[in-house]
Amino acid sequence: AQSVTQLDSQVPVFEEAPVELRCNYSSSVSVYLFWYVQYPNQGLQLLLKYLSGSTLVKGINGFEAEFNKSQTSFHLRKPSVHISDTAEYFCAVLSGTYKYIFGTGTRLKVLA
Amino acid sequence: EAGVTQFPSHSVIEKGQTVTLRCDPISGHDNLYWYRRVMGKEIKFLLHFVKESKQDESGMPNNRFLAERTGGTYSTLKVQPAELEDSGVYFCASSQAGTGGRDYTFGSGTRLTVV
Repeated sequence: AQSVTQLDSQVPVFEEAPVELRCNYSSSVSVYLFWYVQYPNQGLQLLLKYLSGSTLVKGINGFEAEFNKSQTSFHLRKPSVHISDTAEYFCAVLSGTYKYIFGTGTRLKVLA
Repeated sequence: EAGVTQFPSHSVIEKGQTVTLRCDPISGHDNLYWYRRVMGKEIKFLLHFVKESKQDESGMPNNRFLAERTGGTYSTLKVQPAELEDSGVYFCASSQAGTGGRDYTFGSGTRLTVV
């Protein structure tokens, strides 16, 4: 069965510092991987997705992620965070053709 | 283009009462999905509609939950009777025919609190 592990439940980081949110997956088949963000009191918004092609995926708001098949990882990075990036971030893998398996989420807290 | 709309945004009900959540997908999207996040846990799949048909309801927790999608447009998720463990955020999503999970749009969710 497929699964997603987000290793950090909370990540505090100072404004303008870089951040990496970790995600590992388990899958025996081809993977489609996603990062979603949930800002306070809002819904889930797609940050970026890996379907095929280049392993470095660029998303919205300056975020990027790298698909690493050998490490079974899809870590999310941003070189310089802003206060407005404070949110909860979810990694997900597509199971089959339509069902997502989500990780437990990582709360990013950007400190002034 | 309007997004996926869910209402109410919040609902507080007493244990044993009934609550109905509604989801309006993006117009023309055949696929509609329900997910739920219980506090502190992962977001979990509940079920998938293709038009008005239930394609997969393997994630529905028990028979207190009933989902419908009459006419293949909006969907409702009814919880009857509600229990404390039903508290959480219920998300709806939709996608076009043929894109499946590669191109979801999520709604903003309904936060359900059972007291």
